[in-house]
Amino acid sequence: DAGVIQSPRHEVTEMGQEVTLRCKPISGHNSLFWYRQTMMRGLELLIYFNNNVPIDDSGMPEDRFSAKMPNASFSTLKIQPSEPRDSAVYFCASSRGQGYEKLFFGSGTQLSVL
Amino acid sequence: AQSVTQPDIHITVSEGASLELRCNYSYGATPYLFWYVQSPGQGLQLLLKYFSGDTLVQGIKGFEAEFKRSQSSFNLRKPSVHWSDAAEYFCAVAPNQAGTALIFGKGTTLSVSS
Repeated sequence: DAGVIQSPRHEVTEMGQEVTLRCKPISGHNSLFWYRQTMMRGLELLIYFNNNVPIDDSGMPEDRFSAKMPNASFSTLKIQPSEPRDSAVYFCASSRGQGYEKLFFGSGTQLSVL
Repeated sequence: AQSVTQPDIHITVSEGASLELRCNYSYGATPYLFWYVQSPGQGLQLLLKYFSGDTLVQGIKGFEAEFKRSQSSFNLRKPSVHWSDAAEYFCAVAPNQAGTALIFGKGTTLSVSS
């Protein structure tokens, strides 16, 4: 099993640019999560999908953030336009079953917005 | 709303000494409780979880945790720490219902001295 795959591992961009983060969950998992990790705020849930449907997006900071899951094997998190305060590590995680089941995390995308 | 508090930001333990990492949660009912570990540059890995039953839970890598309802705590312990245990440890909670995602504490960084 390849695990949760995130790309890119590192992203450096300038303020105002569009950023797209990608995630491939583990095959057979039907829940997918996007988390953001910063020193100040720790791990924050951004959005949670179950069977490709967004269940809880209350953690999405503002309209600049959007997430999609067009099929069971792919999800994107887009930031447009990006701002320096968006700099963080973004993790994707997947699980088999409901949201409280064992999460498998990807290695994260380190985003730096200059 | 439910929340998780890890009072200790950073702990240093001598190799071979015992370890206890504290976690307190705020929730009306008994939630599902988890401990995850994050090594540098990596995603999180599940150490153990508590759903119900025996309040002392065994996990991987020799870790255990005890659920104490009266104290709203779920502290992580290890009898003898190894240098490879140096990492960041996260306590997490999920309400006891389907369709919800984990909420993480801000983490405790463990350093191991020789």
